[in-house]
Amino acid sequence: NAGVTQTPKFRVLKTGQSMTLLCAQDMNHEYMYWYRQDPGMGLRLIHYSVGEGTTAKGEVPDGYNVSRLKKQNFLLGLESAAPSQTSVYFCASSYGIGVMQYFGPGTRLTVT
Amino acid sequence: KQEVTQIPAALSVPEGENLVLNCSFTDSAIYNLQWFRQDPGKGLTSLLLIQSSQREQTSGRLNASLDKSSGRSTLYIAASQPGDSATYLCAVRWDNQGGKLIFGQGTELSVKP
Repeated sequence: NAGVTQTPKFRVLKTGQSMTLLCAQDMNHEYMYWYRQDPGMGLRLIHYSVGEGTTAKGEVPDGYNVSRLKKQNFLLGLESAAPSQTSVYFCASSYGIGVMQYFGPGTRLTVT
Repeated sequence: KQEVTQIPAALSVPEGENLVLNCSFTDSAIYNLQWFRQDPGKGLTSLLLIQSSQREQTSGRLNASLDKSSGRSTLYIAASQPGDSATYLCAVRWDNQGGKLIFGQGTELSVKP
């Protein structure tokens, strides 16, 4: 049982490039989330999903897109990366609403 | 606006001390509150979850309490150890639909041998 895994662990992009971050969970959780963590700002929710085929916007969705084609995977896309998207990105999942969220190890992204 | 605040931002204690970490939140109509631990360069580890109807939760040397009326939660760590050194984050859920968590900035704890 690997829990929540994220790919890649580190990435450096140039402004304007695109990339996709992959989150996978093997706990059969319905809910999945993408957060970003920035110094002085804490963790903020980007997008989330309440089940396969569904997505919704969080606090800071601009510049990101997501897809949940399979229950176990939640993808976060950056179509045209900007330096303001330099951050550490965390994926999380939970079985339901009133239970704990479990986090992945994070992806450190730098946009130059 | 729904906000979560953790004070102090950093705390240093000698090994063996009992300590309390604080979390305050605006809007007492919370759904639940969760405490996390984050080690440097790592992800978040879930520690305790308190539902809005509960007053406290315990796990080993950790005890989390919740006082909704005053908008406060505390995380009590008994007999602290150097291995407890980490950043502790408090997160509040206010809605019962998407499960969105609002995080505090965290308290960085250092336990000195």
